[in-house]
This record gives sequence, structure tokens and C-alpha cells, in this order.
Amino acid sequence: DSGVTQTPKHLITATGQRVTLRCSPRSGDLSVYWYQQSLDQGLQFLIQYYNGEERAKGNILERFSAQQFPDLHSELNLSSLELGDSALYFCASSPRGFTTEAFFGQGTRLTVV
Amino acid sequence: AQTVTQSQPEMSVQEAETVTLSCTYDTSESDYYLFWYKQPPSRQMILVIRQEAYKQQNATENRFSVNFQKAAKSFSLKISDSQLGDAAMYFCAYRSALYGGSQGNLIFGKGTKLSVKP
Repeated sequence: DSGVTQTPKHLITATGQRVTLRCSPRSGDLSVYWYQQSLDQGLQFLIQYYNGEERAKGNILERFSAQQFPDLHSELNLSSLELGDSALYFCASSPRGFTTEAFFGQGTRLTVV
Repeated sequence: AQTVTQSQPEMSVQEAETVTLSCTYDTSESDYYLFWYKQPPSRQMILVIRQEAYKQQNATENRFSVNFQKAAKSFSLKISDSQLGDAAMYFCAYRSALYGGSQGNLIFGKGTKLSVKP
């Protein structure tokens, strides 16, 4: 158990809908990263938050947004969903200060039908 | 931009034998970190081993070791005495050290699927 909790584990929704994925980082970790894992694109970095502020952006679509709350949990919002958004979405967290390691949650499997 | 390449989509090894997974990367930075992650069928991403670019000594974690060739930008993973539980997808990943620990996403290769035959 990495200590990073993601909910829900599975999500099935229709095209055009909006969903919210939730991530609780390890206790004390200030950084949260979101990744998308799909068969054709592999593991892609989406966005990073550090202590409530957006720190880095990767290949995140405009239909997607994220935020990190004062209690450090983070939410990834996906809207106007398309079939191609079906993927495994991972959250990872890392401690404050100098560190090399990121701890991953078990992911949310999103299926858009 | 940095890239990570894993040229072996699939590999197979006999139980108790040794297997080496390849990874090459491209970067203009001199300070960075390299990782191997394991993803079993449970989907959990598990850190196997990490290497700091400034260290010449190759990292070792029990049966797992790396061959880090900085000039060649190569970072291979050797698994000794392979076990059935080693069967998984293995991802090579790069992380810049440019911004320290508070920033720095992982850049992943496409992965290598390792099968272990009994």
C-alpha cells in the first residue's frame, strides 16, 4: 500500500458527460501529480500541484481541469467526455523538500461508452 | 524535450534465470534521475529501483540491478533469479533534477511486458 488513495476505482460513463476523480496523497506530501495511461499513448503526465498551486502542466486537454484543496487532496475533472478519454488515471504524490520518489495510487479506470 | 525509449515491447525469461530490459533516453540536462517501475496486473505502479545521474555507481536492490551508462544515455535493468512474481509491465522513467524536489514530473517509456515461464 503506497498510502495514496484514489476514488473511485472504476467509473463507467457516457460520452458528453462530466466526471470527477479524487486523490488523497500520502500524509504530509505536498505534491500531487496526475497521469493518464492509455494503450496507444502510454503513461502521459497531465498536471502537477504543489501545496495548492499549479506547478507544471503536461498534455492536459482543455476539457480537463484539476485543483488541490487546502487539505491537500486533489480532484481531476473531466468534461465533455469522448470515447478516447477511456484510460487509467493515476495520481501520485511526493514529499516536501528534496526527493526523487513519487508514490502512486492504484488508479481510476475510466470507461466512456 | 526529454524522451525515454524502451525498444523491447515484450520479453520472456525462464524462472531462476537472468533477464535484462533495455532503456535509452535523450536529454540535454546533466542532472536527473532514472527509475524502473513495475506494474503487475493489479495496476499498481511500484518503484523497483532508482539511479541518480551524478552517481557513477550502479544502483542495486536485491535481485534488481541497473547498468547506467551516462555517456551512452542507456539505463538497463537486470533481474537475477527471476521469479513468477516478477511477471509484469516494466516502465523506465526519467525525472529532471532542474527544479529540485517540489517539481519534476516523470517521463515514461512505453514499457516492456515481462513474462516468466515456470
